Amino acid sequence: SYVLTQPPSVSVAPGETARISCGGNNIGSKSVHWYQQKPGQAPVLVISYDNDRPSGIPERFSGSNSGNTATLTISRVEAGDEADYHCQVWDSSSDHWVFGGGTKLTVL
Amino acid sequence: EVQLVESGGGLVQPGGSLRLSCAVSGFTFSSYWMHWVRQVPGKGLVWVSRINSDGSKTTYADSVKGRFTISKDYAKNTLYLQMNSLRAEDTAVYYCARDFKRYFDYWGQGTLVTVSS
Repeated sequence: SYVLTQPPSVSVAPGETARISCGGNNIGSKSVHWYQQKPGQAPVLVISYDNDRPSGIPERFSGSNSGNTATLTISRVEAGDEADYHCQVWDSSSDHWVFGGGTKLTVL
Repeated sequence: EVQLVESGGGLVQPGGSLRLSCAVSGFTFSSYWMHWVRQVPGKGLVWVSRINSDGSKTTYADSVKGRFTISKDYAKNTLYLQMNSLRAEDTAVYYCARDFKRYFDYWGQGTLVTVSS
């Protein structure tokens, strides 16, 4: 089965840029989606199809995907961005949906 | 406004059964695939099951295949997850989610299932 690997935690100071990786075998050939989840809340989509932002998501959120790594980039990080971030793909070979283990973003 | 509201969670003994419900509104239920996703508190999200728009095709994670059944009731605009032969490792918050082009665009608030004696 397809596996996605995320770092457990990323820390960044306010105003800096946070980069959260999502590794998978030839993930660049798949479409990657990212979700933000704050404590006690349901996940919220922040990036779809590698780099599409849903309405209402700030331009500070962007994504990229190539080779074996997809990356969620959050520019000018704010305290309110502190949350868990999860990457997700659809694995066509198994017709299963796959999540990474999640990354906790801490704003210092 | 799209809304998904789960119910049916609770405490159940190992080997027992539980049926989760997800009442939806604000969109045409028969036009969308729907999913169940679970999360052990403090851990990552794990996909559980998918049902297509007309209910003719279902898919399950290996960990629940043969024990869980996903279904739709179009008259009630409700998604279900029948869970049998429950194990301690099934303990989690269960979310229903709407599928849009292979990602999840709307989520419910979740319902907690605890499997313990």
